Amino acid sequence: GQQVMQIPQYQHVQEGEDFTTYCNSSTTLSNIQWYKQRPGGHPVFLIQLVKSGEVKKQKRLTFQFGEAKKNSSLHITATQTTDVGTYFCAGPIPDKLIFGTGTRLQVFP
Amino acid sequence: GAVVSQHPSRVICKSGTSVKIECRSLDFQATTMFWYRQFPKQSLMLMATSNEGSKATYEQGVEKDKFLINHASLTLSTLTVTSAHPEDSSFYICSAPAGTTDEQYFGPGTRLTVT
Repeated sequence: GQQVMQIPQYQHVQEGEDFTTYCNSSTTLSNIQWYKQRPGGHPVFLIQLVKSGEVKKQKRLTFQFGEAKKNSSLHITATQTTDVGTYFCAGPIPDKLIFGTGTRLQVFP
Repeated sequence: GAVVSQHPSRVICKSGTSVKIECRSLDFQATTMFWYRQFPKQSLMLMATSNEGSKATYEQGVEKDKFLINHASLTLSTLTVTSAHPEDSSFYICSAPAGTTDEQYFGPGTRLTVT
């Protein structure tokens, strides 16, 4: 079964609101990666986290890797319509990249 | 960044026919490539790992005789869907690792429709 779960499955927000997606793995991960897939497009790499408790920021996006290296989160501050898409976390289990179930974000202007 | 191309981007075929999808790394060499399948509004499911110079490694539940993978060179992997059925209709995406991280570069995908 699916080893990497994400919640929520869908999120609809008003432009300017914040958004968070949570990623949970059934196993400890050596690293966690985040990808964004626009509607009709292919996944595009956003970031990789390696260290326990690591936090990285990319402009309005904040990524966090849990202390136990089994969970992660992506937080978007003040969403914009360009943030629309599906956000996937992915981790090597053990040496193959397994994708999470994804969270589809819709932003209304 | 590294570029991965796929061809064709879209293909429609009749049931029972075979379709070949090409995945190329354009500006780097890839000894390993990955093939994923994505159904509408679902996640990417790893089908197989393509290895240059050796047999592909298939994930559980993926029929190796139906999804033929050939990693002909360090820049080309092909996926052939044999005897296609309507349930094979899906979005097929390849990827290749590039750089010093485990980051994957994805091709643009191939949308297969079997009628």
